[in-house]
Amino acid sequence: AQRVTQPEKLLSVFKGAPVELKCNYSYSGSPELFWYVQYSRQRLQLLLRHISRESIKGFTADLNKGETSFHLKKPFAQEEDSAMYYCALSGRGGGSNYKLTFGKGTLLTVNP
Amino acid sequence: DVKVTQSSRYLVKRTGEKVFLECVQDMDHENMFWYRQDPGLGLRLIYFSYDVKMKEKGDIPEGYSVSREKKERFSLILESASTNQTSMYLCASRFLSTEAFFGQGTRLTVV
Repeated sequence: AQRVTQPEKLLSVFKGAPVELKCNYSYSGSPELFWYVQYSRQRLQLLLRHISRESIKGFTADLNKGETSFHLKKPFAQEEDSAMYYCALSGRGGGSNYKLTFGKGTLLTVNP
Repeated sequence: DVKVTQSSRYLVKRTGEKVFLECVQDMDHENMFWYRQDPGLGLRLIYFSYDVKMKEKGDIPEGYSVSREKKERFSLILESASTNQTSMYLCASRFLSTEAFFGQGTRLTVV
């Protein structure tokens, strides 16, 4: 069974402070990991995926297979980063492997 | 731009009614998903489909069924709506293992 765990429901930081949103996963094969974000009154959208190794809006995430983690980081939080963040996992190889499982989400609030 | 469109933004139904939630995508994606989103519980997968007429149960399929007769359309059916199915329902589609695109959501209230 595949599982995604986000241990923090709520995270509150001040503007300019570093942010780390934690994500741990359980999967028997080689996973695809994603971070999705939902801003207020907007639809869920992709923030980044591990395979692209990009930095989006200053966020980065590194897949650590040894610790089965995919934590999201940003060195200097901005007020516009306030949103709900979801970590997600999928398999590869076709058919039912493309099942996409989400964690429970972390609500990030960046205070002025 | 990929578009995933859910037929209703808000629905109010009575207990025991049969409810249909429709989702259409315009990018020829094989994979489509139905989730419910509840505060503190995140997105929980109800069903997903990886091809026409192919479906697989997610984590919370009880009380729901799905239909995928055409590639672009994935329907979620509540056979007999109950108050504990009051929730936000999200549809998504994706090509293979790439980014998933989401609909705007349907907020269903069962009274």
